Amino acid sequence: AQSVTQLDSHVSVSEGTPVLLRCNYSSSYSPSLFWYVQHPNKGLQLLLKYTSAATLVKGINGFEAEFKKSETSFHLTKPSAHMSDAAEYFCVVSDHGSSNTGKLIFGQGTTLQVKP
Amino acid sequence: EPEVTQTPSHQVTQMGQEVILRCVPISNHLYFYWYRQILGQKVEFLVSFYNNEISEKSEIFDDQFSVERPDGSNFTLKIRSTKLEDSAMYFCASSVRGPNTEAFFGQGTRLTVV
Repeated sequence: AQSVTQLDSHVSVSEGTPVLLRCNYSSSYSPSLFWYVQHPNKGLQLLLKYTSAATLVKGINGFEAEFKKSETSFHLTKPSAHMSDAAEYFCVVSDHGSSNTGKLIFGQGTTLQVKP
Repeated sequence: EPEVTQTPSHQVTQMGQEVILRCVPISNHLYFYWYRQILGQKVEFLVSFYNNEISEKSEIFDDQFSVERPDGSNFTLKIRSTKLEDSAMYFCASSVRGPNTEAFFGQGTRLTVV
């Protein structure tokens, strides 16, 4: 069965410093992985996706993630945090179970705080 | 830009009452989903819907829950007799091709059962 583990429930950075949100996955298949962001009182917005093409994936708002099969990781990074990046971030894997319906499996979420 | 819309944004209901949560998926999408997030917990899958039928459902999605696509545009989640533990944020999502593709989510409906 597929699963994702987000290693930090809360990350705090200063504006202008790098962001690293960690995610490890478990999958019996070649996974499809996503990062979603949720701003307060907003829906879940796709940041980026990995679906077995390039291992370094670029997303919106300057975010990137690198798929590392050897480490079963898909960490999210950004070189320089902005105040508007403060939100909840979810690492997500697409389930490849027998039904293969496109069901998504979410990590626990990481709250990113950006300090001025 | 097309988006998934959900109504209402917030619903308060008494225990035992029926509620219907409504969603309008993106028009050319073929796969539809409901997820929920209890406060402080993970986002959990409830049900997927394709070709006018349920394609997968979780253990949470028991006989109290049902989904419907009554008119080719709306996608509804009905909870027949709400319980306190049904209080959560409910998200509707849709995708073009389903497996291995991203889903587009609505803003959610916060359901509070009192």
